[in-house]
Amino acid sequence: DAKTTQPPSMDCAEGRAANLPCNHSTISGNEYVYWYRQIHSQGPQYIIHGLKNNETNEMASLIITEDRKSSTLILPHATLRDTAVYYCIVRAQGGSEKLVFGKGTKLTVNP
Amino acid sequence: ETGVTQSPTHLIKTRGQQVTLRCSSQSGHNTVSWYQQALGQGPQFIFQYYREEENGRGNFPPRFSGLQFPNYSSELNVNALELDDSALYLCASSFPGLALTDTQYFGPGTRLTVL
Repeated sequence: DAKTTQPPSMDCAEGRAANLPCNHSTISGNEYVYWYRQIHSQGPQYIIHGLKNNETNEMASLIITEDRKSSTLILPHATLRDTAVYYCIVRAQGGSEKLVFGKGTKLTVNP
Repeated sequence: ETGVTQSPTHLIKTRGQQVTLRCSSQSGHNTVSWYQQALGQGPQFIFQYYREEENGRGNFPPRFSGLQFPNYSSELNVNALELDDSALYLCASSFPGLALTDTQYFGPGTRLTVL
């Protein structure tokens, strides 16, 4: 079973920041938080991951709370092409660690 | 750098038949993981291959089998197809062992329909 809880759906206006929450209260010390998104039955696209520090890349920012029990993915300026299902996953690094997907959050960016 | 590719894109089979799906890993990656995604669900882990050996398996029956080749490409074989095998099949490649590159990168998937 997935170790994360996400809202099933969210809406965001185009050009505004999209903040997607994720709860992972049972996360272990060696587990990272990964975010992927899936656009209309394409393969999931890797967005970002982090352990305990906040992370930023060209796609998004990841904010992890100090107790690591929750995190927020931030898309700073959402576009229509960001409409997708966003998956938050906790996973240990390395080896044969599989990705355990939940149902994710369906983000709809509106014009 | 070449991304993960999968073939075919779409496939239609009838119940009881066998199917082979193919995946080419991203350049420099030696590990391939396969996932099944039913309509409206998140992907479910089938198994992983590392250096041509199965390296972890999810809750799938033995009629789901795989291979990995010396060039790290991989095949997923499904025997005795059932209607519930209709799904999007995804492969993901990675290079575990280096902390910065253990991320799994997915291909576009193969849509299998079983009639």
